[in-house]
Amino acid sequence: GAVVSQHPSRVICKSGTSVKIECRSLDFQATTMFWYRQFPKQSLMLMATSNEGSKATYEQGVEKDKFLINHASLTLSTLTVTSAHPEDSSFYICSAREGGSNQPQHFGDGTRLSIL
Amino acid sequence: DAKTTQPNSMESNEEEPVHLPCNHSTISGTDYIHWYRQLPSQGPEYVIHGLTSNVNNRMASLAIAEDRKSSTLILHRATLRDAAVYYCILRDETWYSSASKIIFGSGTRLSIRP
Repeated sequence: GAVVSQHPSRVICKSGTSVKIECRSLDFQATTMFWYRQFPKQSLMLMATSNEGSKATYEQGVEKDKFLINHASLTLSTLTVTSAHPEDSSFYICSAREGGSNQPQHFGDGTRLSIL
Repeated sequence: DAKTTQPNSMESNEEEPVHLPCNHSTISGTDYIHWYRQLPSQGPEYVIHGLTSNVNNRMASLAIAEDRKSSTLILHRATLRDAAVYYCILRDETWYSSASKIIFGSGTRLSIRP
């Protein structure tokens, strides 16, 4: 089946640093990728949607200058949390879809980000 | 987005069937009913989806009401590894739809008693 890989699976860093999370589709071409965030004991919240080669579309309330998304190829998207602070600590999950809106959406195993 | 309503939590015994309900009274004609589950510290995992007819796969069965305003995910024989949060999601799968991104509700936390 389709596999979405995220790296790293866990990262701990100091406040003020920027952190990059990679999301790769291993056996299919991800024309659309999604980034979600999940706080403890809460549901997943969609942050943004990106199509390959285009600027990401951010959901309401998500700061695009804070969460930089790059989807430069059909198999790779990156999320960079700039100048991270403790309140950015969360579980970040990417998802990818090949083709149109009627195609399955596959999820990665998430990245747990802890900002000290 | 069309909304779904699920119980916050359910408990079941190991090796017994589990019926997880979902209400979606505002479902539209192009909405598919999807079920995902999320095990602790993992990303969501696809379980099953359907439009009108009941569906079966190796993981579960999906029973869809005739009026499509509710559905039930059936795990035929629960194991301890089925303990997870189960999400019922409506997804517009018209190929050009911008509404086909998956939006998660609060889901049902399923606990399995040994």
